[in-house]
Amino acid sequence: GQQLNQSPQSMFIQEGEDVSMNCTSSSIFNTWLWYKQEPGEGPVLLIALYKAGELTSNGRLTAQFGITRKDSFLNISASIPSDVGIYFCAGHGSSNTGKLIFGQGTTLQVKP
Amino acid sequence: NAGVTQTPKFQVLKTGQSMTLQCAQDMNHEYMSWYRQDPGMGLRLIHYSVGAGITDQGEVPNGYNVSRSTTEDFPLRLLSAAPSQTSVYFCASSFGQTPAGYTFGSGTRLTVV
Repeated sequence: GQQLNQSPQSMFIQEGEDVSMNCTSSSIFNTWLWYKQEPGEGPVLLIALYKAGELTSNGRLTAQFGITRKDSFLNISASIPSDVGIYFCAGHGSSNTGKLIFGQGTTLQVKP
Repeated sequence: NAGVTQTPKFQVLKTGQSMTLQCAQDMNHEYMSWYRQDPGMGLRLIHYSVGAGITDQGEVPNGYNVSRSTTEDFPLRLLSAAPSQTSVYFCASSFGQTPAGYTFGSGTRLTVV
């Protein structure tokens, strides 16, 4: 089945630093999504990407849909303590089921 | 507007017991899904539904049953709980097949001893 490989698995950074994480797939996706999960809560959508090559920003977050449609990247600039959480990439293929395939997650910790 | 409501929030079961995890949404969403989250493995799809009366299996369906008799409710049944089913379970719903519209519940943390 389809699989997503997300890296890095975890990051421990200083407040103010920039963060990059990425996701690769063995299959082509039509939509890439990035979610953030805080403790005790479900994932919340950060950015959705619908077209190969698309670059989209949401405040300090920027995500890109890879040209090959098999990868995506998320960057966080000037990190702050509230950026702490688990970040997930998710891909949606060509079926009409609404099924999402998730990456393993990147745990981000920010030191003030 | 409550969104996606999951109950219970926490549950401890003994091996072999059965139980139902409840999921309800009040947004008239067609699509509903159940995921389980385990450390280092992301969220894996258990079962999903594209509308009332229609369900299908996801990546890890064994040991779980679902039904969708109404648009609002999508319960997940554990038939005979096993320690391997210790996990955090999330229900999600979406108005259409556009995945960006998925709203997640806050999860049920299940421990099987």
